[in-house]
Amino acid sequence: DAKTTQPPSMDCAEGRAANLPCNHSTISGNEYVYWYRQIHSQGPQYIIHGLKNNETNEMASLIITEDRKSSTLILPHATLRDTAVYYCIVRGSTSNTGKLIFGQGTTLQVKP
Amino acid sequence: ETGVTQTPRHLVMGMTNKKSLKCEQHLGHNAMYWYKQSAKKPLELMFVYSLEERVENNSVPSRFSPECPNSSHLFLHLHTLQPEDSALYLCASSLTLTGGYNEQFFGPGTRLTVL
Repeated sequence: DAKTTQPPSMDCAEGRAANLPCNHSTISGNEYVYWYRQIHSQGPQYIIHGLKNNETNEMASLIITEDRKSSTLILPHATLRDTAVYYCIVRGSTSNTGKLIFGQGTTLQVKP
Repeated sequence: ETGVTQTPRHLVMGMTNKKSLKCEQHLGHNAMYWYKQSAKKPLELMFVYSLEERVENNSVPSRFSPECPNSSHLFLHLHTLQPEDSALYLCASSLTLTGGYNEQFFGPGTRLTVL
């Protein structure tokens, strides 16, 4: 599985868009980009994932660069409840254990 | 609510005790996982079950013993633990092990303290 690099922390003003970057320069063709978040002392929550195309759901948008070496998770209107650690994970579709390798993630602090 | 429940939510035990953590998923999934999250560390995968068969044991000490009696239930039996085993233990499930659209749903975790 490819490794990912994320900034350790970011701040965002409430109501503004939060853009969380992730580098995955060694990603291979059959590997997906997954995003999870973990609010303090709770279980991680799935947000979104994608392969090549940009994806959007009710929680967020995922923008993947054309070369797939980096991606950005966008929370369009951040609220205080979006304060959490955000994990960018690269995972292969053929992994026989469905392994998610969690790194340190980005701690997003949404401020009033 | 993710459809994955864990009990108890908090557990304090002595090093000589035997206890069990329980996980139940109501999603019709076929794969279940145990993770450990120690303070200020990333989540670590401990065990993976698919269709009630253990497919991965990630070098976990034998004082942790998993059990998967059916695809909806997963247990983690604990005995003679050490204080360094104090952590948040998380259970997760997914529809299958493989595939590109196979997100994992996590329970709220059990906060374990070993005295």
